[in-house]
Amino acid sequence: ETGVTQTPRHLVMGMTNKKSLKCEQHLGHNAMYWYKQSAKKPLELMFVYSLEERVENNSVPSRFSPECPNSSHLFLHLHTLQPEDSALYLCASSQEIWDYGYTFGSGTRLTVV
Amino acid sequence: DQQVKQNSPSLSVQEGRISILNCDYTNSMFDYFLWYKKYPAEGPTFLISISSIKDKNEDGRFTVFLNKSAKHLSLHIVPSQPGDSAVYFCAASARYGGSQGNLIFGKGTKLSVKP
Repeated sequence: ETGVTQTPRHLVMGMTNKKSLKCEQHLGHNAMYWYKQSAKKPLELMFVYSLEERVENNSVPSRFSPECPNSSHLFLHLHTLQPEDSALYLCASSQEIWDYGYTFGSGTRLTVV
Repeated sequence: DQQVKQNSPSLSVQEGRISILNCDYTNSMFDYFLWYKKYPAEGPTFLISISSIKDKNEDGRFTVFLNKSAKHLSLHIVPSQPGDSAVYFCAASARYGGSQGNLIFGKGTKLSVKP
């Protein structure tokens, strides 16, 4: 499989649940990103990893916890979310960090109830 | 306060005509600009970019124009095709001048090209 794959595509979770979003890329890229797109808002950068090291945390609440076990995989662990966290979460990768021809996944549509 | 603004949420154009999507920015440190296209249920895909040392970049039917003095860029699609119907995002970065390299996105403009 090629490109950037995100699972699940849709997720509904309660505020007390713990869930994880998964992102996988088979492009040999060294940088991976998590973005959030809320309704009627621009895409917002959440986290950046380069060669499995976190290089940016854009003031994201601690209820979002990223993990990058290797350069092909990126996770976003979720716990105790709020309804306002409902959004489209997009993963992206690039050959090197800030190499802007990002390849995005299709996203996970998250609904917090 | 938004640093990248796409003031038109939607645009409708007849097939074969020109589509012009506009983007304004406020941060004078921005020196690299990109356009992404997004179809429903898919992630954004990179379309075209321009560095601040240029005022025009062309790739097939797509041309991006940059007016630094006005802090304005535009994407021209000529001729427009129904398959161009998508949401277009403008993005900017202070790639060389700033301490952060991350992209700042606009809210997007939904383009509809009618046959």
